[in-house]
This record gives sequence, structure tokens and C-alpha cells, in this order.
Amino acid sequence: NAGVTQTPKFRVLKTGQSMTLLCAQDMNHEYMYWYRQDPGMGLRLIHYSVGEGTTAKGEVPDGYNVSRLKKQNFLLGLESAAPSQTSVYFCASSLELAAYNEQFFGPGTRLTVL
Amino acid sequence: GQNIDQPTEMTATEGAIVQINCTYQTSGFNGLFWYQQHAGEAPTFLSYNVLDGLEEKGRFSSFLSRSKGYSYLLLKELQMKDSASYLCAVTDSNYQLIWGAGTKLIIKP
Repeated sequence: NAGVTQTPKFRVLKTGQSMTLLCAQDMNHEYMYWYRQDPGMGLRLIHYSVGEGTTAKGEVPDGYNVSRLKKQNFLLGLESAAPSQTSVYFCASSLELAAYNEQFFGPGTRLTVL
Repeated sequence: GQNIDQPTEMTATEGAIVQINCTYQTSGFNGLFWYQQHAGEAPTFLSYNVLDGLEEKGRFSSFLSRSKGYSYLLLKELQMKDSASYLCAVTDSNYQLIWGAGTKLIIKP
């Protein structure tokens, strides 16, 4: 089992460009999450999904959109990248709600917006 | 507001014991997690406490005091591979996870 995978691993964008980050999990988990991690700060939840076809906003959703068309995939989109979105992005999944369940994280995507 | 406090950095010696503290002020409490994160890698689950007391798992133990809003992670027989950041996260009354900024643990020979 691959667990949680993310593509790409690294990306450099110019301000205003768009991109999609792909997350895939092979553990048949219902719940999936997108976080960003910035120096000196805790993980911040961007969006999450409680099942195929559902999405919900997290703590910092502005500037991002998500889709969960298939249970195993969770996509994070940046429509018009800004330097403030320079960060490391982690996708995670859990069998049940992460509030009381272990989350499994992907390896991360390091995004730089110039 | 909601807040999780952890020391930013700690240093310990190989073979020794280290205690990493986490204090929290949140709107309600429904559990506390510890995750380990090696530099440049993903966080991985270490422990989950919802009741007061100490839970031991090999060289790692986690303690919780809900009345004091306090937890610690105890690492025994430190190994060089334990050099990592340790993240504390609390589930509040709305079942939202609040993450601390993490404690970077440096192990010296």
C-alpha cells in the first residue's frame, strides 16, 4: 500500500498563475484534509471532505478550491497564486473524523510563489 | 481565543530522557494528539489521550491532565533518530483540531 501520495513534490509559480495539487489515498478512508504548514505556526486546515462528493471549508480557505470526485482523490486548486500562499501543503486522510482518529499524511508539496 | 503552547526547541543527549510539554486553552476538550515530524517529511501519529493519566507505548509515553490543560510527551533512551519536531494538537468542543507550532528536538551524541 502506498498510503497517501501527493503530486507534485515541488513547484514554483509566478503570481497570478494557477495550479492543482493532487492527493490520492489507497486506504479506503472517508475523510480527507488539506493543510498548510508555515514556519513558526501550527498546521492550518484549508479544506476537508467527509466523503466522496463532499467538501467543506476549514480555518484558512480563501484563495483555494477543492474537489472530491472520487473517494480516493482530493484535489486542491489555486486559481490565482499569491506570494502569501508560499508554504508546504500536506494532504491527510483518516478512517473516521480526525478529531479523534489518527490521520495519515502525504509527503507534502513545497510551493513557492514569486 | 484558542491556544496551544509548546517550547520552540529543546536539546537532549543520546540515551537520556526528555519531556516535551504542551499546554492548551481551548473551547472545550475532546482529546489530545502527539505527532512526530522529521525535517522535510510528513507528520506521523504517536499518541492520543482523552482521559487523564499516563499512556506508555515503548520508549514513548504521553500524559494528560485535563484540569490543568496540560500534557507532556516523555521520550526515554533517546536515539539520534528521535531528532524531529513533535506536534501537539487538541480537539475542541466543536471537534476541530487545534495544532501547536511544534517543538524541535535536537539530540546530541
